[in-house]
Amino acid sequence: EADIYQTPRYLVIGTGKKITLECSQTMGHDKMYWYQQDPGMELHLIHYSYGVNSTEKGDLSSESTVSRIRTEHFPLTLESARPSHTSQYLCASSASGEAGELFFGEGSRLTVL
Amino acid sequence: GQNIDQPTEMTATEGAIVQINCTYQTSGFNGLFWYQQHAGEAPTFLSYNVLDGLEEKGRFSSFLSRSKGYSYLLLKELQMKDSASYLCAVLDSNYQLIWGAGTKLIIKP
Repeated sequence: EADIYQTPRYLVIGTGKKITLECSQTMGHDKMYWYQQDPGMELHLIHYSYGVNSTEKGDLSSESTVSRIRTEHFPLTLESARPSHTSQYLCASSASGEAGELFFGEGSRLTVL
Repeated sequence: GQNIDQPTEMTATEGAIVQINCTYQTSGFNGLFWYQQHAGEAPTFLSYNVLDGLEEKGRFSSFLSRSKGYSYLLLKELQMKDSASYLCAVLDSNYQLIWGAGTKLIIKP
């Protein structure tokens, strides 16, 4: 059973608001990831981290930022939400040496009006 | 560019066998992964191939041919709960996962 949690599960907000999507894992995994997924579409990597104080941008251009101050915590922040940010955001983690076996959180479904 | 192709949708009958194909062109190869994703839920890991051949795991098997850039996921004795999307992903030379768009599998009674 994977122990990775995301909050909120669902969020509806207005344009221009700042939001933070939380992600925590209790497995001690060094690697953590944020993906964006629209219905029926592939997963797009937004950000990833290989450990504390390490963050990298993925292949999807995004106006979001992340931080990794603690191993277990990897929050994603949108400074000014827009309708184009409406999507499902999935957080995942993996153990060192197991880069392809990801454990996913249940996702945060964001709607920006 | 990097590309992973899989059929958009497949339909099969409960109790039958179905094969979901995946072809890939990536910069480097460090393994191929299959994930299951039920509607509205997060993906869960199913199987992993790094060498050519068949890996069996209960009702599910996965096959890999690196020379052909080809894999398939075989599901036997289909159950209604197997209705889901099946995602093929390749770990590239930078150890980043490249994802296919997924195959939606519909199981009919």
